[in-house]
Amino acid sequence: AQSVSQHNHHVILSEAASLELGCNYSYGGTVNLFWYVQYPGQHLQLLLKYFSGDPLVKGIKGFEAEFIKSKFSFNLRKPSVQWSDTAEYFCAVNPRGMDTGRRALTFGSGTRLQVQP
Amino acid sequence: AAGVIQSPRHLIKEKRETATLKCYPIPRHDTVYWYQQGPGQDPQFLISFYEKMQSDKGSIPDRFSAQQFSDYHSELNMSSLELGDSALYFCASSSSTLLAGAKNEQFFGPGTRLTVL
Repeated sequence: AQSVSQHNHHVILSEAASLELGCNYSYGGTVNLFWYVQYPGQHLQLLLKYFSGDPLVKGIKGFEAEFIKSKFSFNLRKPSVQWSDTAEYFCAVNPRGMDTGRRALTFGSGTRLQVQP
Repeated sequence: AAGVIQSPRHLIKEKRETATLKCYPIPRHDTVYWYQQGPGQDPQFLISFYEKMQSDKGSIPDRFSAQQFSDYHSELNMSSLELGDSALYFCASSSSTLLAGAKNEQFFGPGTRLTVL
């Protein structure tokens, strides 16, 4: 079974600071990788995803993530955060294969980001 | 664009009561997933259905059951409710046959917040 670790549980930044949230996964095979954001009281929204190809993935709202296969990592980055980025961020994976479209996501424990004006 | 619909959005029940949560996936999506997110926790996979058949099973208690109907909507039935069942229950849907850009991506509903008193 796969597992996901997010090392930063709570991050506090000032506006315009740069952001990097760590995500490492453990799985014996190939995975698809995702970052979801959950704004207070809202549902999960996809920020970006990696299935294959260029390991540097750009998502919505200026976020990007880099898949480093040798490190089993998929860290999320943003050069300059805004107050509106205050939310919980979840890294998730599911196994890649013929039936990948039917495989559930395994989530990390989440990182709560607080951006101060 | 149509999104995943869940009802009810909020539900309050007493211990030992039953509850039924409903999920209406995005049209033409063939897979439905149920996740449970406890307070301050990451979403945990419960169960999924592909083309109306159970596809995968996660940490779903025996007190819970689910099914997917001919119109692809799904219901999560919860019996003998316990205080620990209080959580946000998300439904997600995906398609294994859409264009590659959205293929295998799970779209989440707004969730049903269940409170057990």
